[in-house]
Amino acid sequence: GAVVSQHPSRVICKSGTSVKIECRSLDFQATTMFWYRQFPKQSLMLMATSNEGSKATYEQGVEKDKFLINHASLTLSTLTVTSAHPEDSSFYICSAVLTGVPFFGPGTRLTVL
Amino acid sequence: SQELEQSPQSLIVQEGKNLTINCTSSKTLYGLYWYKQKYGEGLIFLMMLQKGGEEKSHEKITAKLDEKKQQSSLHITASQPSHAGIYLCGAVKNAGGTSYGKLTFGQGTILTVHP
Repeated sequence: GAVVSQHPSRVICKSGTSVKIECRSLDFQATTMFWYRQFPKQSLMLMATSNEGSKATYEQGVEKDKFLINHASLTLSTLTVTSAHPEDSSFYICSAVLTGVPFFGPGTRLTVL
Repeated sequence: SQELEQSPQSLIVQEGKNLTINCTSSKTLYGLYWYKQKYGEGLIFLMMLQKGGEEKSHEKITAKLDEKKQQSSLHITASQPSHAGIYLCGAVKNAGGTSYGKLTFGQGTILTVHP
């Protein structure tokens, strides 16, 4: 069964608004979670590492003020896309490691109009 | 950074045929994961390989990691339409600690299985 969940599964918003995506580890604690982005017909690209109790670390080229990450508890990380624009439209997927294996959530399809 | 090259980029086979997907790294692989993805969905974990020469099987899928830990292959025996999807290899970016969640992915192999 699924070990990582995401909400919402898809969201459509207007340009300039902010969107929050939740990632939860189910039945296990994850002090670290990971956020990826996938553009159509492309592979996954790591965006940032979410750390419980401390600041997230971002990969090169990812704007930390644009993609706010909060690891509120040992089972929840949130990604907020601030002032979203059409170029932010993408598939966002999170992961958490359980027994050495990164398990991925079902993803969130963001469409910015 | 670690580059992962997958081949082929796409594959169309007839049901019942065997097939192999390759994943080659420019650097030593500390951990290699195989996932399957259907378009617009999350990744389904298939196999994890860590040791040189390691081979694992699950149902009709076998994954291998070569001795030098720079190439992995995924082999499907007697393919079925349910095997269709995008296969991704992912490698640990750095050795040890919390880095196990930080993966670099190949570009994916799109598999189509015709009944």
